Amino acid sequence: DTGVSQDPRHKITKRGQNVTFRCDPISEHNRLYWYRQTLGQGPEFLTYFQNEAQLEKSRLLSDRFSAERPKGSFSTLEIQRTEQGDSAMYLCASSLRRPGDNSPLHFGNGTRLTVT
Amino acid sequence: DQQVKQNSPSLSVQEGRISILNCDYTNSMFDYFLWYKKYPAEGPTFLISISSIKDKNEDGRFTVFLNKSAKHLSLHIVPSQPGDSAVYFCAARDVKAGGTSYGKLTFGQGTILTVHP
Repeated sequence: DTGVSQDPRHKITKRGQNVTFRCDPISEHNRLYWYRQTLGQGPEFLTYFQNEAQLEKSRLLSDRFSAERPKGSFSTLEIQRTEQGDSAMYLCASSLRRPGDNSPLHFGNGTRLTVT
Repeated sequence: DQQVKQNSPSLSVQEGRISILNCDYTNSMFDYFLWYKKYPAEGPTFLISISSIKDKNEDGRFTVFLNKSAKHLSLHIVPSQPGDSAVYFCAARDVKAGGTSYGKLTFGQGTILTVHP
């Protein structure tokens, strides 16, 4: 399977702990996105990378959140001092920038975070 | 502020009939629109898209219509099949200053489609 891979699928943590999620995009894709989805809502944009450069961050991304994409390959999303409000599905997506710029995002199956 | 709205949380349709899912948007800078389908425990899957310079795009059983003046788009599925039962998300991309677009999408809340045999 050469789709977007996310690990872990599920994470349960206690409030105040740090968590880190990993995303492996489709290999030839140079753009990588993180989204968050809560129950009854659509995915909300968090941040975006083109290769290794983080080009945009949503105001939803508080200073407890940090994302990296070293060497423009896989990406990690870390949440420090987790809060119950961080409980959500964290989705990673990738796409290939090309002329016309209309390539759709390909999503992984997400990491479901539960903060107790 | 919800820039993309799907006002129908759910839709129930008989197999073989047409399913029509609606979406409204407020941001006039949106230049590209997409529909995604999502099954439980899976990520959203791209279904069909339309550029703002068109008013219709068709792919098999799926057709998307765009009415720019009304800031409204719809997805038609005909004939509907039980396997189409899923959550459908409307999404839109906005053009940044200078005409570039980075692919960031704004999603609606989703509509749960149930197709009964």
